[in-house]
Parts: sequence; C-alpha cells; structure tokens
Amino acid sequence: DADVTQTPRNRITKTGKRIMLECSQTKGHDRMYWYRQDPGLGLRLIYYSFDVKDINKGEISDGYSVSRQAQAKFSLSLESAIPNQTALYFCATSESGTGLDGYTFGSGTRLTVV
Amino acid sequence: GENVEQHPSTLSVQEGDSAVIKCTYSDSASNYFPWYKQELGKRPQLIIDIRSNVGEKKDQRIAVTLNKTAKHFSLHITETQPEDSAVYFCAASKGYGGSQGNLIFGKGTKLSVKP
Repeated sequence: DADVTQTPRNRITKTGKRIMLECSQTKGHDRMYWYRQDPGLGLRLIYYSFDVKDINKGEISDGYSVSRQAQAKFSLSLESAIPNQTALYFCATSESGTGLDGYTFGSGTRLTVV
Repeated sequence: GENVEQHPSTLSVQEGDSAVIKCTYSDSASNYFPWYKQELGKRPQLIIDIRSNVGEKKDQRIAVTLNKTAKHFSLHITETQPEDSAVYFCAASKGYGGSQGNLIFGKGTKLSVKP
C-alpha cells in the first residue's frame, strides 16, 4: 500500500548535535509537511512544501531547516539540537492544492534531546 | 490567520454512552473540516470530514455537524466502545490553493471510554 515512511522512529541526541529526520512517500502527493506534536499543544506546522522548488516556513520554523530532495522525499534538520526540541515529529502529505482533502501522516519520529 | 479552538481537552465517558467534541474556527472563509483520531503511540488518521456545503455527515457510529453561522463544528460518537479511546483532533482549511489550503489543527481532545 502507498504510504508515508519516517526514519528514524526514535532518536536520542545530545544538545548541540545536528540531526536529520527523513520522510519518504509512495503516495505520489505533491504537498508535504513537517509537524511537531507536544502534549497539550496539538500539531504545530514547522515547514511545508508544495513541490521540489517550493519551501515555506510554518508557525514554528526557528531552529529547523528542510530539504525537498525529490517529490517523494522531504527531510527536516535540526542544525544544533536543544532540549526544548524534544517532541514527536510527524511528516504528512496531501494530494491536491485545493485544501479539500485530508492529510496522510507518517508513523512519527520521537526525538529526545539530552 | 485562522485559529481553531477545541473543547474539551479531556473527556471521560462510560462504554455505551455518547461523546461530543466541539471546535470553533475564526475564519469564515474556511470550508473544509476534517477530524483525526490518534491512538496511543500511533499516527493521526482521518476518520471523517465535512465540507461547508453540507451540514451533517455520518459514518456508522460517528457523525460531524457544521454550523457555518456560528463557525463551529462537532464530532459525535454514539455507543462508545473502549477502542474509541484516543486523542481526537479537529482541523480547518480554506480549501484554496497555496498556503490557504493548509490545515489548522485544534489542540486535541483525549477521550477515555471506561468499560
């Protein structure tokens, strides 16, 4: 089945280290997103991309960067990880630019910064 | 920009009872309202959605209602079962191209169904 895959599933890293979270999809969707989930705060948008040449900041982009290497791949980087970036990270995709369809989420990456 | 408020943040019901989760949105141009269910340790999954040209939509034990005038929409779960226990998120978008098509999520409701 077409899906959205995130790697790694879990990661513990030290403060100041650079880390990359990867997302790949076989759904053929153009739109890809990175969200961060914290208890009580819901899903907050970090970055989004409508195609390979289009990258946009979300509401909480500070401290993060992204790369859209291909239609199917969208990576999130933490250049210098800090403890308050400890969270559950989700990649998501959507099919169209109309905004009238739902997202498909990846299985998530649980990141701990110590 | 759009803001989505979700209530309650936690909800506990007895098995077999109904559960209702409510969301309000701020932008009257929003016209697409999905609901996601996230079971413990799993990804959010779309369970039902509604567009602004429809007032109510049902799928077995779940239903969503939309009041465009009041700018609120609700998720109704009837005959709740323990497997309904999860975090539920509402969301809204304007349904246009570009960033206006992005979903804005509520903060989530943790539903617990007691056997």
